[in-house]
Amino acid sequence: NAGVTQTPKFQVLKTGQSMTLQCAQDMNHEYMSWYRQDPGMGLRLIHYSVGAGITDQGEVPNGYNVSRSTTEDFPLRLLSAAPSQTSVYFCASSPGTGGMNSPLHFGNGTRLTVT
Amino acid sequence: KQEVTQIPAALSVPEGENLVLNCSFTDSAIYNLQWFRQDPGKGLTSLLLIQSSQREQTSGRLNASLDKSSGRSTLYIAASQPGDSATYLCAVGFTLLAWVFGPGTRLSVLP
Repeated sequence: NAGVTQTPKFQVLKTGQSMTLQCAQDMNHEYMSWYRQDPGMGLRLIHYSVGAGITDQGEVPNGYNVSRSTTEDFPLRLLSAAPSQTSVYFCASSPGTGGMNSPLHFGNGTRLTVT
Repeated sequence: KQEVTQIPAALSVPEGENLVLNCSFTDSAIYNLQWFRQDPGKGLTSLLLIQSSQREQTSGRLNASLDKSSGRSTLYIAASQPGDSATYLCAVGFTLLAWVFGPGTRLSVLP
């Protein structure tokens, strides 16, 4: 059972480039989410989804897009990378559409540097 | 704005000590609260989930308590071991759809 898988582990981008961070889970979880983690600031929610075809914005959505075409996959797209998007990105999932009554399962993160 | 704070930011203790990590939140109307452990370069692992109707949860040497009226939760670690060294984060469910995380407490347990 792989759990939550994120790829790539590391990525370096130049300002203005675009890319997609991949997230896949094999636990049939309805709820999936993306966070960014910056030093001293904890994790901040970017986008979340309560099921295939349903997404919504979190606390810091600007500069990011998401889609949820299947239950398993929840990719995060950076449209035009900026140095302020240098961070560690985590994908997390949990059973149920609310996501609040079950533990969150995290991937191992993608460390992104934008130069 | 709904916020979660954790004090201290870092803590160093000798092996065998019992210790308490603190988590405070700004709004007492929460759905539930979750404690996580994060090892360097890794994702977060859920340790304990406390529903809003509960006062505490226990797992092995870990005990988490919740006092909604005062906006506080504590994570108690008994008989600490070097393997407990990690960053501990709490997250609060202020709504049904999103967790708000604290900045974490970095714990070092010295042999």
